[in-house]
Amino acid sequence: QKEVEQNSGPLSVPEGAIASLNCTYSDRGSQSFFWYRQYSGKSPELIMFIYSNGDKEDGRFTAQLNKASQYVSLLIRDSQPSDSATYLCAVNLNSGAQKLVFGQGTRLTINP
Amino acid sequence: DTGVSQDPRHKITKRGQNVTFRCDPISEHNRLYWYRQTLGQGPEFLTYFQNEAQLEKSRLLSDRFSAERPKGSFSTLEIQRTEQGDSAMYLCASSPGTVSNQPQHFGDGTRLSIL
Repeated sequence: QKEVEQNSGPLSVPEGAIASLNCTYSDRGSQSFFWYRQYSGKSPELIMFIYSNGDKEDGRFTAQLNKASQYVSLLIRDSQPSDSATYLCAVNLNSGAQKLVFGQGTRLTINP
Repeated sequence: DTGVSQDPRHKITKRGQNVTFRCDPISEHNRLYWYRQTLGQGPEFLTYFQNEAQLEKSRLLSDRFSAERPKGSFSTLEIQRTEQGDSAMYLCASSPGTVSNQPQHFGDGTRLSIL
């Protein structure tokens, strides 16, 4: 089992709809969870982070964390074509280390 | 507040040559990280510095790879005797060191191509 798993997609969503991106992780003791957006040929850009169970909202983005299910998700409301990118889930595993472990990313396409 | 700066942006070299990349973190960020990313995959951790101390190294970091952060500011990553499999995007990130698990901010990366 991979430490952090995401569906690679592609995920296709119509403009204006809600895009839902999911991520599971293997280490039950993990404490910190991050979502990065990566456009083709560019570097990852931090868009959300969450540490506690529940929802965290920032503009059109909502991160959801369920530690009991070892599941973290990202919702994008009112999706725009500019949201088309690969979304990377990253977890700081409960190993005392500072490194992030990334999923392989979900490629999201917003169709006008 | 300038972001993480990496140099060069692109590097093309022949197999067997040595290459060195530089990373300047966000000012006052005392944690610095190196990752490697290949096409279609998420970034993979290589190594991590707290100030000038290299505190963690991945098994991915073979003896051909060496990283330094001599004054706790910028860092260099050197790859000796490059191989085809070293072709990747090399990403540097930094974070504040005041609290654990702070978000990491990435530079634009150095894309390495081995001929």
